[in-house]
Amino acid sequence: DTGVSQDPRHKITKRGQNVTFRCDPISEHNRLYWYRQTLGQGPEFLTYFQNEAQLEKSRLLSDRFSAERPKGSFSTLEIQRTEQGDSAMYLCASSLPASAHNEQFFGPGTRLTVL
Amino acid sequence: AQKVTQAQTEISVVEKEDVTLDCVYETRDTTYYLFWYKQPPSGELVFLIRRNSFDEQNEISGRYSWNFQKSTSSFNFTITASQVVDSAVYFCALSERAAGNKLTFGGGTRVLVKP
Repeated sequence: DTGVSQDPRHKITKRGQNVTFRCDPISEHNRLYWYRQTLGQGPEFLTYFQNEAQLEKSRLLSDRFSAERPKGSFSTLEIQRTEQGDSAMYLCASSLPASAHNEQFFGPGTRLTVL
Repeated sequence: AQKVTQAQTEISVVEKEDVTLDCVYETRDTTYYLFWYKQPPSGELVFLIRRNSFDEQNEISGRYSWNFQKSTSSFNFTITASQVVDSAVYFCALSERAAGNKLTFGGGTRVLVKP
């Protein structure tokens, strides 16, 4: 296992379309986080899972956004009815339980462009 | 609420010069962690260092060193003898144990090392 992977790396879509991104965390990591990063800014927290349970969602995560982690392994982030303001880099990170080490390891990101 | 401020937006140095990046944070939690991440032009966030709130001992790791001072809520990071490969955006981040260890990032400091 070489690290966190994300698919696709780039996605161009038209406004109003739905898109889905996938994240595969490091295999022994039970925590999985989603962040969004716009140009020139630091990443912003969206949501996180511990195993299959979604424990927190940011106010940034409107009702057009949904995330799942059905078997506690990979996770998907879906954006419905995309808007131009959704254009950003979507980053996934994973970590061991908070009681142990909690540095988060990031994937390469999915860059979304909404036309 | 947690907040991280990186006042320097861009620093330009000549190779072999030292460069210090400033970070100031705000938190109400007594147990928290501070991080530095590097984001090279390829875009992937790379974990560099972590410090917990109970350990103010400053350390050196290779060409990296950090200065953690709770009294001033600062967590500064120094790259000694900079190299061209150090050119990247550097992010300071904070996580609170009470907040699920999600990361709050600063706005980042772009470091340009010229040969």
